[in-house]
Amino acid sequence: EVHLVESGGVVVQPGGSLRLSCAASGFTFEDYAMHWVRQAPGKGLEWVSLISGDGGTIYYADSVKGRFTVSRDNSKNSLYLLMSSLTGEDTALYYCARWRGTGGLDHWGQGTLVTVSS
Amino acid sequence: SYVLTQPPSVSVAPGQTARITCGGNNIGSKTVHWYQQRPGQAPVLVVYGDSDRPSGIPERFSGSNSGNAATLTISRVEAGDEADYYCLVWDISIDHYVFGTGTKVTVL
Repeated sequence: EVHLVESGGVVVQPGGSLRLSCAASGFTFEDYAMHWVRQAPGKGLEWVSLISGDGGTIYYADSVKGRFTVSRDNSKNSLYLLMSSLTGEDTALYYCARWRGTGGLDHWGQGTLVTVSS
Repeated sequence: SYVLTQPPSVSVAPGQTARITCGGNNIGSKTVHWYQQRPGQAPVLVVYGDSDRPSGIPERFSGSNSGNAATLTISRVEAGDEADYYCLVWDISIDHYVFGTGTKVTVL
């Protein structure tokens, strides 16, 4: 069974940095691209970033480009999101999700909450 | 940037049909996926590749995509279908994924 578990969400001050992790199990991690998607409180879904299975292709939303860095360690079945220069607009529940190509984002974690506040 | 517009809300009586649109410029040339999100839960894929259903998703959920609008249709609506629904596409021109604005489905 596919399982995705995010961690690392905390309360952080504006301008601070944070690294989120996503632990994957139940599938061959390196065979799949992975995404980060976030959802601000009471708001809709916002795509954040994509990283290919081998880590060689990476894309970011304009809202986070230059501040967030996505990476993965296939030996540890783990996905990461390093976030810096955080502002209140980055306050959200952050989900990792598996991408099945034309099959869409077929499995999601339960999310980890990041709150940017002084 | 590419914008996907959905109606904020759709209300439907049990047993009736709900149709949720996702409007975007020439969206018919893109591949659309649909997600259901119940309150307090993570999104769940209900339709992928415009019109295919993942295993475990009832046949009551179907999708279509043509021209400037994609549509998610929920037939024989049940109380458990009450949720927010989002469309998702890949905008190849800027290498970005884009979610629709979301539609809250209320079962009367």
